[in-house]
Amino acid sequence: SQTIHQWPATLVQPVGSPLSLECTVEGTSNPNLYWYRQAAGRGLQLLFYSVGIGQISSEVPQNLSASRPQDRQFILSSKKLLLSDSGFYLCAWRKGQGGNEKLFFGSGTQLSVL
Amino acid sequence: AQRVTQPEKLLSVFKGAPVELKCNYSYSGSPELFWYVQYSRQRLQLLLRHISRESIKGFTADLNKGETSFHLKKPFAQEEDSAMYYCALKGMDTGRRALTFGSGTRLQVQP
Repeated sequence: SQTIHQWPATLVQPVGSPLSLECTVEGTSNPNLYWYRQAAGRGLQLLFYSVGIGQISSEVPQNLSASRPQDRQFILSSKKLLLSDSGFYLCAWRKGQGGNEKLFFGSGTQLSVL
Repeated sequence: AQRVTQPEKLLSVFKGAPVELKCNYSYSGSPELFWYVQYSRQRLQLLLRHISRESIKGFTADLNKGETSFHLKKPFAQEEDSAMYYCALKGMDTGRRALTFGSGTRLQVQP
């Protein structure tokens, strides 16, 4: 069966420090992968998605970047964190297509930038 | 552009009362709509999708293209329905390969 792992679960970082959040999927190949941010009162905001190795689409201009060095690995990064980067970050992979698609989410990373 | 609006941040009802979580969307093409749910200390997960016309845990949702709505309904709320609910849209006429989520509604079912 397929599983998705995301770590760390919580992270407290000072402003200006780098960031690396990792997400891996098991049990499937060539998945579509996504990074979402869940901010209080703002719901789920799509940050990046990837349809294959080295292929990254960015949804909003921001201080973050994403990379997909391997088929089932998706990394969210920043060179210098801002206070506004605080939030709950979710990784997800997609099964199926169109109206039958289903997103499977990781357990999330709570990032606090101080 | 595609947008999903969930006007209520919090909906509080008593056990056994009917529930309707509102969802309106903005999209000029052919949409696919979904409801996702996050129970306390659990991962965000799919609840139902309009294409399946299914009833999950007593919940149903009908796509109304005239009103551009996809409200989630349940005739008799249970305490275990308390959770965060997100409506999501997939625009089928674009190359965008990701769901657009609403801001979510927290449902509280009181005993």
